[in-house]
Amino acid sequence: EVQLVQSGAEVKKPGESLTISCKGSQYTFTSYWISWVRQMPGKGLEWMGIIYPGDSDTRYSPSFQGQVTISADKSISTAYLQWRSLKASDTAMYYCARHPRLQGPGDYWGQGTRVTLSS
Amino acid sequence: QSALTQPASVSGSPGQSITISCTGTSSDIGGYDFVSWYQQHPGKAPKLIIYDVSNRPAGVSNRFSGSKSVNAASLTISGLQAEDEADYYCSSYTGTSAPVVFGGGTKLTVL
Repeated sequence: EVQLVQSGAEVKKPGESLTISCKGSQYTFTSYWISWVRQMPGKGLEWMGIIYPGDSDTRYSPSFQGQVTISADKSISTAYLQWRSLKASDTAMYYCARHPRLQGPGDYWGQGTRVTLSS
Repeated sequence: QSALTQPASVSGSPGQSITISCTGTSSDIGGYDFVSWYQQHPGKAPKLIIYDVSNRPAGVSNRFSGSKSVNAASLTISGLQAEDEADYYCSSYTGTSAPVVFGGGTKLTVL
């Protein structure tokens, strides 16, 4: 069964750096896109960006360009979402999703990683 | 680009049918047949229920159906059941450097 398993919840302070992960299994990791989606408390889904692990082609939403970095290590079938300097407004649940093609839907989703900023 | 527009809430009684609209532009919904719909129960990850406007993934009930007209897409749920109470999100491909946009979400209440 296809699975995307995300890293555990994080509690960080503003200004700290953070990397969360999304590990794919039971499919060819390099043949599918992986996207990241933010959901702030009580709010809707926001598309952040997407990467194709096969060649590292990466696209970002203008709202998140320069604020986060998306990467992937195909040797361990894992995608990453990285912040250099967290802000209080980064408190949210973050999901990764698998897409069979760039235009295609997120057909499998990770369980989510909760990131909480607390001073 | 701007988010797609969905009603904040809809409601219906068990057994009834409801439709959720999702309005975009010619740059997203109107330009491509790549509209998806997701169902999200509280505290859970989103689940794909419709892709490419009107296709259902394996295992999704045929009570869920999707359609599109010009710059708007719709999700119809027939024979409403209590378990359908959830948030529903549409998304579309945009063909730009930021290729995906979501709607703001619609909360479905089963009365």
